[in-house]
Amino acid sequence: NAGVMQNPRHLVRRRGQEARLRCSPMKGHSHVYWYRQLPEEGLKFMVYLQKENIIDESGMPKERFSAEFPKEGPSILRIQQVVRGDSAAYFCASSPSGTGKFTGELFFGEGSRLTVL
Amino acid sequence: QKEVEQDPGPLSVPEGAIVSLNCTYSNSAFQYFMWYRQYSRKGPELLMYTYSSGNKEDGRFTAQVDKSSKYISLFIRDSQPSDSATYLCAMSRGYQKVTFGIGTKLQVIP
Repeated sequence: NAGVMQNPRHLVRRRGQEARLRCSPMKGHSHVYWYRQLPEEGLKFMVYLQKENIIDESGMPKERFSAEFPKEGPSILRIQQVVRGDSAAYFCASSPSGTGKFTGELFFGEGSRLTVL
Repeated sequence: QKEVEQDPGPLSVPEGAIVSLNCTYSNSAFQYFMWYRQYSRKGPELLMYTYSSGNKEDGRFTAQVDKSSKYISLFIRDSQPSDSATYLCAMSRGYQKVTFGIGTKLQVIP
């Protein structure tokens, strides 16, 4: 039973290029979350998506960042015109769909580490 | 003021010690309280989950929540070198968004 799969694990981009990070949730999960982690800031919520819908994007920077979770295929976090400050570890997490209270249990991937030169 | 405050450490203890990790928070709407463990270069994994105030025990781990003081704790008994990791407290209002503390780095010395 595969866990949350993220790729690439490491990505190097030059300033001004685009970065695309992909996330396949656990089987049976249709809720996806993206978090950014910096050593001095911890895990910061970016966006919460369900299939074909953005539910909460309150943590997403207003410019250059976008996320999608199409009906088919992985969720994608896209960063356009990257700057050095975008260098970070980006984690994807998923949770089960369906009824019942949300318990806070998120299943995380191994992360994608973006370095902007 | 951050919604969730957590001392980043590092915290270094000898093997077998009792470890106490803590977080404070400012948002009284939080209802679900979690502790995640993150090993170096890995994703976080859920250790403990508690709803509202009270205690919860799981093996060597005990989680405590005091909503009146907005204070949560994680105790690790008989700490082992394999417990060396970063421990993140996390909270949710019952919506899907989870808010994390910065994490406390723990090292257990053999």
